[in-house]
Amino acid sequence: DIVMTQSPDSLAVSLGERATINCKSSQSVLYNSNNKNYLAWYQHKPGQPPKLLIYWASIRGSGVPDRFSGSGSGTDFTLTISSLQAEDVAVYYCQQYYSTLYTFGQGTKVEIK
Amino acid sequence: EAQLVESGGALVQPGGSLRLSCAASGFTFSSYSMNWVRQAPGKGLEWISYISSGTMYYADSVRGRFTISRDNAKNSVYLQMNSLRDEDTAVYYCAREGSGSYFPVWGQGTTVTVSS
Repeated sequence: DIVMTQSPDSLAVSLGERATINCKSSQSVLYNSNNKNYLAWYQHKPGQPPKLLIYWASIRGSGVPDRFSGSGSGTDFTLTISSLQAEDVAVYYCQQYYSTLYTFGQGTKVEIK
Repeated sequence: EAQLVESGGALVQPGGSLRLSCAASGFTFSSYSMNWVRQAPGKGLEWISYISSGTMYYADSVRGRFTISRDNAKNSVYLQMNSLRDEDTAVYYCAREGSGSYFPVWGQGTTVTVSS
């Protein structure tokens, strides 16, 4: 199975400041034939289902604010919140769908400093 | 608008069985692969099963105990859970795939508690 490792496990950021979450896969999730990274990011708030933020490593999901961006390729990926808002407090997960046995990272909890 | 509604969650004893259902609406159900994802208390998200038109996959943690199925006529996907263990206690979500195997559509979840 592909293991997804996120860092840090938690972070506290001031309102309006940048938050950066890293995700590393145990093997490349870049499919060479189409040059796509099979990597998604989700936001999960208590009592709600997860929400898709980013897919194909860098494409924002429907209705996702442009302060959320995804980058990276191969085995190393980053989710950036450019200006943290109060409503962004949540746990964030990366997910690989390169392998048919999909796997999530362990999650990163984002809080307000 | 695409919607998924899970049902069937309950309190069950260790070793027992349960069948979860997920009813879909607002999209052509037969055209999409479906998944089950769970979150145990205080833990992260865990993908557990996938079904397309004729292929099923399972995480190691549930393989041999859980069975995924679908009924396109009823726009529904199911998860038959047997030999339940304490560690199967979780909120279970069904999720629809997008153009790739990411999950743009999720249900609200149903809670399974395995306890004596």
